[in-house]
Amino acid sequence: EVQLVQSGAEVKKPGESLKISCKGSGYSFTSYWIGWVRQMPGKGLEWMGIIYPGDSDTRYSPSFQGQVTISADKSISTAYLQWSSLKASDTAMYYCARLTGSDFDYWGQGTLVTVSS
Amino acid sequence: EIVLTQSPGTLSLSPGERATLSCRASQSVSSSYLAWYQQKPGQAPRLLMYAASSRATGIPDRFSGSGSGTDFTLTISRLEPEDFAVYYCQHYGSSQYTFGQGTKLEIK
Repeated sequence: EVQLVQSGAEVKKPGESLKISCKGSGYSFTSYWIGWVRQMPGKGLEWMGIIYPGDSDTRYSPSFQGQVTISADKSISTAYLQWSSLKASDTAMYYCARLTGSDFDYWGQGTLVTVSS
Repeated sequence: EIVLTQSPGTLSLSPGERATLSCRASQSVSSSYLAWYQQKPGQAPRLLMYAASSRATGIPDRFSGSGSGTDFTLTISRLEPEDFAVYYCQHYGSSQYTFGQGTKLEIK
């Protein structure tokens, strides 16, 4: 069974750094791209970027380029999304999802990130 | 950059009725790269349709998709109570992924 399990909710202060994770199982982790999607409170879905764990090739949405870093450790089948300096506007639910070329077929349960002073 | 506009924003229907949700692209897109998702409160999105008209694994046949060019439609033939949710269309093109703003399907 394909599963993407994300790390737990985080509460951080503005300016702090953060790295959240997404562990894949039940399939060949290095053979599929993994994407990250943001959902701000009460809002829609926004694509942030994707990574191919096989070679760490990464693509970013122009809206998120330079704002976050996507990485992966194929030895432990885990993808990451990180911030170096959080802002209050980063408060959102973040989902990872497996990409089958043009669509996202399996999704993680989401990680809620709250940034507040 | 392609923009996807979904309509209506909110659709109020009763169980047993037919639902028709629209997704319009700002320019012509390949139907091979058009997908639909369902999201219920407190849950992650779930893939419903890919390539505009192909149902994802486990999706009941009351869901169907159609369209080409700039206009795409998700149809739910007879609404079940569990179908009331938010629906998003999504497109892939030029290494970019775009979501529509969503249609909320609520119980009338």
